[in-house]
Amino acid sequence: GQNIDQPTEMTATEGAIVQINCTYQTSGFNGLFWYQQHAGEAPTFLSYNVLDGLEEKGRFSSFLSRSKGYSYLLLKELQMKDSASYLCAVNKEYGNKLVFGAGTILRVKS
Amino acid sequence: GAVVSQHPSWVICKSGTSVKIECRSLDFQATTMFWYRQFPKQSLMLMATSNEGSKATYEQGVEKDKFLINHASLTLSTLTVTSAHPEDSSFYICSALTGEDTEAFFGQGTRLTVV
Repeated sequence: GQNIDQPTEMTATEGAIVQINCTYQTSGFNGLFWYQQHAGEAPTFLSYNVLDGLEEKGRFSSFLSRSKGYSYLLLKELQMKDSASYLCAVNKEYGNKLVFGAGTILRVKS
Repeated sequence: GAVVSQHPSWVICKSGTSVKIECRSLDFQATTMFWYRQFPKQSLMLMATSNEGSKATYEQGVEKDKFLINHASLTLSTLTVTSAHPEDSSFYICSALTGEDTEAFFGQGTRLTVV
């Protein structure tokens, strides 16, 4: 079966750094995505990793270790608007057929 | 970036009626679109993969006769929830692939409430 695990909730302080972890066990692997989703809205793309290592994009970075079935999303210089749900999704085959984790609700406090 | 438009944003319907949700790629052609359902505080669950000009591929456990998908053109896919019941109330989201296949763009989502 497909299994993608993320922490349910996290709280961090404005200006701080937070790391959201994701572990996965899927029947196939063709890349891992991170999405941000605000309540009642559709997900928006944050990052994509298909090879091991760190991808940096402004305040957001994402890391992948395929051998460990592990990824993390790193958010720096947290802002209040970063309060949202963060979804880890595995593309288990060519063609972007995504399997999503349940999401991590991040609360940023002042 | 690529824009995917979903309509309506929210709909309330009576039990037993059918509801159609549209997903359009506005500035690109999408050979493949995906339909997801998301219950409150849960993950997005893939319902089906919609390919232009051919029958949709449904995920295990999704009733194809209840959730009718039509992908008649390269810019439009529709999901019709037939004979809706309260348990079908959910957030339905579509996504579409551009030609590069490394990123799927999501529509705004449709919140369906069946009363």
